[in-house]
Amino acid sequence: GQNIDQPTEMTATEGAIVQINCTYQTSGFNGLFWYQQHAGEAPTFLSYNVLDGLEEKGRFSSFLSRSKGYSYLLLKELQMKDSASYLCAVMDSNYQLIWGAGTKLIIKP
Amino acid sequence: IAGITQAPTSQILAAGRRMTLRCTQDMRHNAMYWYRQDLGLGLRLIHYSNTAGTTGKGEVPDGYSVSRANTDDFPLTLASAVPSQTSVYFCASSASAYNEQFFGPGTRLTVL
Repeated sequence: GQNIDQPTEMTATEGAIVQINCTYQTSGFNGLFWYQQHAGEAPTFLSYNVLDGLEEKGRFSSFLSRSKGYSYLLLKELQMKDSASYLCAVMDSNYQLIWGAGTKLIIKP
Repeated sequence: IAGITQAPTSQILAAGRRMTLRCTQDMRHNAMYWYRQDLGLGLRLIHYSNTAGTTGKGEVPDGYSVSRANTDDFPLTLASAVPSQTSVYFCASSASAYNEQFFGPGTRLTVL
């Protein structure tokens, strides 16, 4: 079966750095996406990785290792507005997204 | 600039009733999707359409139907609602099946 695993909840301090991990087992791989979802709102696109390595976009970076079935999202200089759920999704061989349950990130002052 | 709109925002429905959730996008995206999101579970794909005139079944299609008569609209119909269909429903679109998806604001549906 297809499976995406990510921690249920994480807590971090304002101004700090946090790494949210995602491991996956899917039938085929056509890229990995990270989305941010604030409570009661729609998911919004953060990043896309299809090749191994690190993609940096401002305070957010995303890493992919296809051989290990592993990705992480790195958030630097945390702000209170970063409190949200972070969703990992893998595009499978049918070009459909398989979603993890999301990681709820709590930022404390 | 609207992006993707969904209607209604929320709805309480009696079991056995028929309900259509509306979704419209103005980005001229070819692909559109319907997901449901339940607490503790990832988004689950109900139906999708890679281009106007075509539709496909996702992971959880039973009890739902869709149509794609034109590029902009992708309605989702519950023929006879059941309490297990209580969920938040998100419509999404992408330029093609290979691109990132953009989501509408969601419809919160409660079936009693």
